[in-house]
Amino acid sequence: GQQLNQSPQSMFIQEGEDVSMNCTSSSIFNTWLWYKQDPGEGPVLLIALYKAGELTSNGRLTAQFGITRKDSFLNISASIPSDVGIYFCAGLPVGYQFYFGTGTSLTVIP
Amino acid sequence: KAGVTQTPRYLIKTRGQQVTLSCSPISGHRSVSWYQQTPGQGLQFLFEYFSETQRNKGNFPGRFSGRQFSNSRSEMNVSTLELGDSALYLCASSLYANTEAFFGQGTRLTVV
Repeated sequence: GQQLNQSPQSMFIQEGEDVSMNCTSSSIFNTWLWYKQDPGEGPVLLIALYKAGELTSNGRLTAQFGITRKDSFLNISASIPSDVGIYFCAGLPVGYQFYFGTGTSLTVIP
Repeated sequence: KAGVTQTPRYLIKTRGQQVTLSCSPISGHRSVSWYQQTPGQGLQFLFEYFSETQRNKGNFPGRFSGRQFSNSRSEMNVSTLELGDSALYLCASSLYANTEAFFGQGTRLTVV
């Protein structure tokens, strides 16, 4: 099935640094979701976006629904060790099936 | 409010066997989707059910099937297991299909 282009694929950062990642698609999406997954566990929903241009925060996390409706961005400010994990974006075009990004693996060095 | 519950958490099966995985969605949620996750392929969509009807199906062979019951609980069945079916199988529930989806912890299936 279709997958979204998510970048970067991996990141190694120092504790306290800010993090940015994004997802792009060739198709227009009506909904963007961002998830975090720890090893061996299911993805946990972080932020949901429903309108183009929407900017939503959840603590130190901020996500934006791109104006073109073909991309979304996730920023993490002042990273901490528990931010380690794999972050996925998911987009929903018209219909019932979410498409997932390939994931960004985040490593935070204390 | 209880989250999405998947059982069992871990399974080891032999090639050629069949397996049934179960998913209980969040109370009140009517849409259940299933995904296969492998290191090489990422999250691959299997199928989505809403009110006992399969509305969408991913590109998987017919050995993969599912169903949804009147209480929204869903089961996924894989017949004639192959080594390549080893994966983390994830279930996600939504109030409706196009709203935010919440995942269970997954079932780790190992085929030997």
